[in-house]
Parts: sequence; structure tokens; C-alpha cells
Amino acid sequence: NAGVTQTPKFQVLKTGQSMTLQCAQDMNHEYMSWYRQDPGMGLRLIHYSVGAGITDQGEVPNGYNVSRSTTEDFPLRLLSAAPSQTSVYFCASGTGGRTEAFFGQGTRLTVV
Amino acid sequence: AQTVTQSQPEMSVQEAETVTLSCTYDTSESDYYLFWYKQPPSRQMILVIRQEAYKQQNATENRFSVNFQKAAKSFSLKISDSQLGDAAMYFCAYRATGTASKLTFGTGTRLQVTL
Repeated sequence: NAGVTQTPKFQVLKTGQSMTLQCAQDMNHEYMSWYRQDPGMGLRLIHYSVGAGITDQGEVPNGYNVSRSTTEDFPLRLLSAAPSQTSVYFCASGTGGRTEAFFGQGTRLTVV
Repeated sequence: AQTVTQSQPEMSVQEAETVTLSCTYDTSESDYYLFWYKQPPSRQMILVIRQEAYKQQNATENRFSVNFQKAAKSFSLKISDSQLGDAAMYFCAYRATGTASKLTFGTGTRLQVTL
């Protein structure tokens, strides 16, 4: 099993550009989340999904959009990148049958 | 809203010694889960240990154990016989039941292991 796969691993964007961070899991998990990690602030929840077609906002949702059309995929969209969105982004998935979340390897995004 | 506090930004321990990382949390829930995740320089988030709030017994995983004090809302991690490979950032995390992958994290403790 691949687990949780994030692409790309690194990305540099110019201010105002748009892009999509991809996240896919092959464990048939119903729950998926996006986090951002900034120095000294831990990981903060951006958006969350409890199943296909259902999403909800987390702690820091502004500037990001998500959709969940399938159980496997949960892409994160930046519509107009800003330098404040420079961060490391993690996707995670989980299931009610297990207590822990499984994380992807992260995407380091730099907005210049 | 739930909060998780790690008051030690950095800790240092000598190889083979024991170190304890602190974590406190705040919640109004009675049933929840607590975790310690390790993040080495590779950036990967690795689960170290988990604790179910309804269990009074402290969780242990080999050299890693927790001191879970539910009334005090404290969840510390003890690493025994520290190894060079334990050097990493450690995050304490909380989640309520029924919210898998929706975690609240502390700000992390960077652990240095010296010879």
C-alpha cells in the first residue's frame, strides 16, 4: 500500500498564481484533512472532509478551497497565492476503526 | 475550542539517559484521544504513542511511555535510554472521538540527543 501520497513535494509559485496540491490515499479512509506547518506554530487544520461530497473549514481556511468527489482524493486549491501561504502542507487520512491519522510526506510551498 | 500546549520549545538529553517532554491540553469533552508524533528532518509525521482518555493505564511502546493525568489535563512523554535516532521535533496532538484525522497540535518540542 502506498498510504497517503502528496504531490508535488516542492513547489515555488509567484504571487497571484494558482495551483492545486494533490492528495490521494489508498486505504479507503473516510476522513481526510489538510494542515499547514509554520515555524513555531505546529500544524494547523485548513480543511477537513468526513466523506465524499462533504467538507468543512478548519482553523485557517482563508485562501484555500477543497472538494472531495471521491473517497481517495482530496485536492487543496490555492486560487491566488500570497507570500503568507509559504508553508509546509500535510495531507492526512483516518478511519473510525483506528485512532491515529496517517500523514503524507508533505509539500514545501514557497510563494515569492 | 480545544487547545494543546507544549511549553518546552527545545530539550536536550544525553545518549542512554531519560527525558520527559511536557504537554497540557484543554477540552470540555470526556472521551478523546491523545498522541505524540515524531517529525525527523525527513518531515515525515511518525506516530510514537497514543492514549485513549477512557483508559486509566498509561500507554507504553518500547522505550516510550506516557504519564496521562486526565484530571490535570496533562500528557507527558518519557523517552528512556535515548538514542541518536530520537533526535527530532515532537508534537503532542489531541482529537475528539468520531473526528479521525481532525487533530489539534501543540507547537512542538525539538529534542536534541548528545553523545
